[in-house]
Amino acid sequence: GQQVMQIPQYQHVQEGEDFTTYCNSSTTLSNIQWYKQRPGGHPVFLIQLVKSGEVKKQKRLTFQFGEAKKNSSLHITATQTTDVGTYFCAGLVISSGSARQLTFGSGTQLTVLP
Amino acid sequence: DAGITQSPRHKVTETGTPVTLRCHQTENHRYMYWYRQDPGHGLRLIHYSYGVKDTDKGEVSDGYSVSRSKTEDFLLTLESATSSQTSVYFCAISESWTPLGNEQFFGPGTRLTVL
Repeated sequence: GQQVMQIPQYQHVQEGEDFTTYCNSSTTLSNIQWYKQRPGGHPVFLIQLVKSGEVKKQKRLTFQFGEAKKNSSLHITATQTTDVGTYFCAGLVISSGSARQLTFGSGTQLTVLP
Repeated sequence: DAGITQSPRHKVTETGTPVTLRCHQTENHRYMYWYRQDPGHGLRLIHYSYGVKDTDKGEVSDGYSVSRSKTEDFLLTLESATSSQTSVYFCAISESWTPLGNEQFFGPGTRLTVL
């Protein structure tokens, strides 16, 4: 079945350093979504990318969707302690059997040291 | 936050007992989902619903059943709980499912422990 791999699993950074997490899919994706989950909380939607090569920014966060629509990345510039949490990508593949299913990556747990 | 509640929020039960988790939404969204979250596995889809009495299986549906008799309620039942079903369960909703997908809003989660 469809798989979405996400690396790294854990990342510790000093406050002010940059952070990047990567997602790779075994199949071409229709779109990709990114979610953030704070410790003890629930996932919260951040953004959706649809177009090949698309780049979107939210303040210090930059999201990219690969040209082949099989990979994506989230980059945080100058991390802050408020960025702590687990970041998940979720890919959508359109097919008769999974038209309504997002497949989530395993997540990257970000720790920011003050 | 979207109007999604889950009950109970915590439950400890014994192997072999039936368990029902409830998800309630006040957003009138058509689509509802049940996920389980385990360390190293992210979120895995158990079942989803695309309307009242319309449900389908997800990636890890074995040992689980669902029902949706009203738009606002989506129930997840473990007919005979096993220790492998110890997990955190999240309910999610989305307004629609266009070919390009739509964002999902998650409930607060239910922590289930099966002894």
